[in-house]
Parts: sequence; structure tokens; C-alpha cells
Amino acid sequence: AQSVTQPDIHITVSEGASLELRCNYSYGATPYLFWYVQSPGQGLQLLLKYFSGDTLVQGIKGFEAEFKRSQSSFNLRKPSVHWSDAAEYFCAVGSNTDKLIFGTGTRLQVFP
Amino acid sequence: GAVVSQHPSRVICKSGTSVKIECRSLDFQATTMFWYRQFPKQSLMLMATSNEGSKATYEQGVEKDKFLINHASLTLSTLTVTSAHPEDSSFYICSAREMTAGGHEQYFGPGTRLTVT
Repeated sequence: AQSVTQPDIHITVSEGASLELRCNYSYGATPYLFWYVQSPGQGLQLLLKYFSGDTLVQGIKGFEAEFKRSQSSFNLRKPSVHWSDAAEYFCAVGSNTDKLIFGTGTRLQVFP
Repeated sequence: GAVVSQHPSRVICKSGTSVKIECRSLDFQATTMFWYRQFPKQSLMLMATSNEGSKATYEQGVEKDKFLINHASLTLSTLTVTSAHPEDSSFYICSAREMTAGGHEQYFGPGTRLTVT
């Protein structure tokens, strides 16, 4: 079955601390992987994506993610979190022509 | 980057009435658009896939006659919630897919908050 698991429902970090949001997927074909961010009452903004090539991908706002095929993971990282990073983060998997499957999301709270 | 708009951003309607939500790709052509529903503090649930010029493909459990989708052009898809009831109150988000050299990418609209009283 195709699925995306985000094990952490809610994460709290201090501003300036490092961050890692976990994402594991189950997908039958070669996965296309995405991380989106959603602020309250807003749509989704694409942070980064992985289609092929270098397994460490850089995104906007200082985020990066690493694709590890052996672990079926695509964890999102940021070395130093800013208060404006507080939001909901969604991992998603799809193929070149198929629909996206979203994880349940991780809510990030940032303390000053 | 590619921009997707939705209109209206918020709508309040009375039970039994119908509401139309528009989704537009502003600077690219989208052969495929998607409609999602999101309940508070939950993930996005795909309702249907809309292909330009053809009938939408609905996900299991989504009522076709209640959620009418029309994708009349490469830049516009509409979702009409017919005979709305309070349980239809939700955040509706559309996305449009752009084919790029590296693969597909979905761009999301800002969402429409529907409240049925």
C-alpha cells in the first residue's frame, strides 16, 4: 500500500536550534518526494522536492532534505530554526503522473 | 514561480444552498487540477482529480453528485458544493499540476474556507 508516515505530530524547538522532521514512505514505484509548509489558514508552499540525482536536496528558507532509499525516508532538516518557521509541515510522495499522497503533518512550534 | 489562485477565500452559506469555488492557474497551463479537503489540524484528503475536457475522477467515498467538478479550460477548474450541509464546512484547497522537464509538480492555491450554517 502507498503511504506516508510522519511519526511526529508536534515538535517544539527553541529559536536557533537545529530541526529534523521525519518522513517515511511506502511506494511501489520510483518515488517523487516533496515537503510542503502550511501556515494557519493558508495553502501549501513547496519547500523542496526530490525526483532523481543527488539525494541531498536544498530548498527554500534554508531547508534541506535527504533521500535514503534503504530506509524509505526523506527527512527534512534545518540547521537553525527561526520563529517564522512555526507552521505545519507535510511530506508527500507521488510519481510522474500519479496523485500525491500526503502524510498527516507535523506541527512545528518555535520558542524564543 | 507558478501561481494558483482560488476564489472566494472565505464563504458562508446557508444549509441547502450551493457554493461554487474557482481554481485558476495564473501563469501556466494545467491539464490536471486536484481538489483537496482539509479538516482542522488534519492532513489533506484528495477528493478528485480534474482533467481538462474530461470528467473528473473521484476518490472513494466522495459523492460525485454533491461535489461537482468542471475543468472547462487549461487554467480554470471549479468545485460546486451542492445542497451544502454543516458537515460540508471545511477548508478546500485546489492544486494545479505543471509538467516540467524533471517531472510533475503541483502548485497549491491559498484555499477556501467554507462555512455552512
